[in-house]
Order: sequence, then C-alpha cells, then structure tokens
Amino acid sequence: DAGVIQSPRHEVTEMGQEVTLRCKPISGHDYLFWYRQTMMRGLELLIYFNNNVPIDDSGMPEDRFSAKMPNASFSTLKIQPSEPRDSAVYFCASTTGTGSAGYTFGSGTRLTVV
Amino acid sequence: DAKTTQPTSMDCAEGRAANLPCNHSTISGNEYVYWYRQIHSQGPQYIIHGLKNNETNEMASLIITEDRKSSTLILPHATLRDTAVYYCIVRAMRDMRFGAGTRLTVKP
Repeated sequence: DAGVIQSPRHEVTEMGQEVTLRCKPISGHDYLFWYRQTMMRGLELLIYFNNNVPIDDSGMPEDRFSAKMPNASFSTLKIQPSEPRDSAVYFCASTTGTGSAGYTFGSGTRLTVV
Repeated sequence: DAKTTQPTSMDCAEGRAANLPCNHSTISGNEYVYWYRQIHSQGPQYIIHGLKNNETNEMASLIITEDRKSSTLILPHATLRDTAVYYCIVRAMRDMRFGAGTRLTVKP
C-alpha cells in the first residue's frame, strides 16, 4: 500500500496565481480530509468528503479556496487567486467509514506564495 | 466534540517510559480518545485509540481512567526517534480536529 499520495511536495508561486494541490487517498477509504498547518494556527480542518461528496466545508477560509473529489481515487484543493497568507503546509488524509479507524495522512504539500 | 488539555512540552530520557497525559473531563459516552504524533515536517501519524478499555499496540499503550475524564499515552521505551508533537483528540463524529498537542523531547 503506497499510502496517501500528495503532489506536488513543494510549490512556490506568485501572488495572484492559481494553485492546485492533489491527493490520492488509500484505495477503499471512503473519507477524505484536507488540512492546513501553519505555525500560528496549527492544524486546521478545511473540508472533508464522504463517498466523493463534500460533507463539511466550514473550515474553508474563503471563496478563493475550492475542493473537488471527482472520483474515489482523486481530490484537488484549488486556491485562486493565491495570496502570501495562504503559505502553509497542506495535508490530505483518508480513512474508512467502518468502525472507528484512525486517519492516514499524506506527506503534505508545502506551499509558498511570494 | 469534547475539548482536551495537554501539557505544552515534556522531556524524557532515552530508554525510559514516556507518559503523556491528556485531560478530557467533558467527554461523552460515545466519544473515542485518539492519539496521533507529528514528527517534524511529516504528516501526523496515527498511534492508538480507545473508548473505555486500555489498549496496547506495537507503538504504545493507552490507559483511560475509569471515569474516562483523562488518559495517558505510554511509550514504553522512548527512543530519540520518538521526539515529536503528540496530539490527544476526543471525538465521536467523523472529523478529527487537532489542538496544540504536547511537544515530547527524548534526550540521550
């Protein structure tokens, strides 16, 4: 099992540009989560999906952020337009809805907006 | 979900047991206690979880008090590689929300 796969590992972009982060969850996992981590705010839950359907997006900071899950094996988090304050590490995690299983996190994408 | 309280930081000598406390006095009957850790610049790693019984796996042991208002994560023989931030989370719903955690430093 390759685990949760995120790409790219690092992204540097200029303010105002569109940024797309990608995540491939573990096969068979029906829940997918996007988190953002900064020194100031720690780990924040942005949005999560169940069976490809967004369940709770109350953590999405503003309309510049959007997330999709077109199928069970792929999700994207898009920021348009990006701002310097969006600089953070973005993590994707997945789990199964069966029982009380813990999450498996990806290695994260470190985003720097200059 | 119930809130948790953890010490900001702790030290432990290499080879000794590390005991990390967590207070969750407002826990509800259907809420589980989860522990994760995050080693610098890596994604959080699931360690263990429990409802009311003590649990043990290859990584750690989880001791939950009888009234379920607190718990302790035990790393039986801490190594330098166990230096990390440890998060205690209490939840019933599907989403997991992280607090500040305890920064554990294992010293030689």
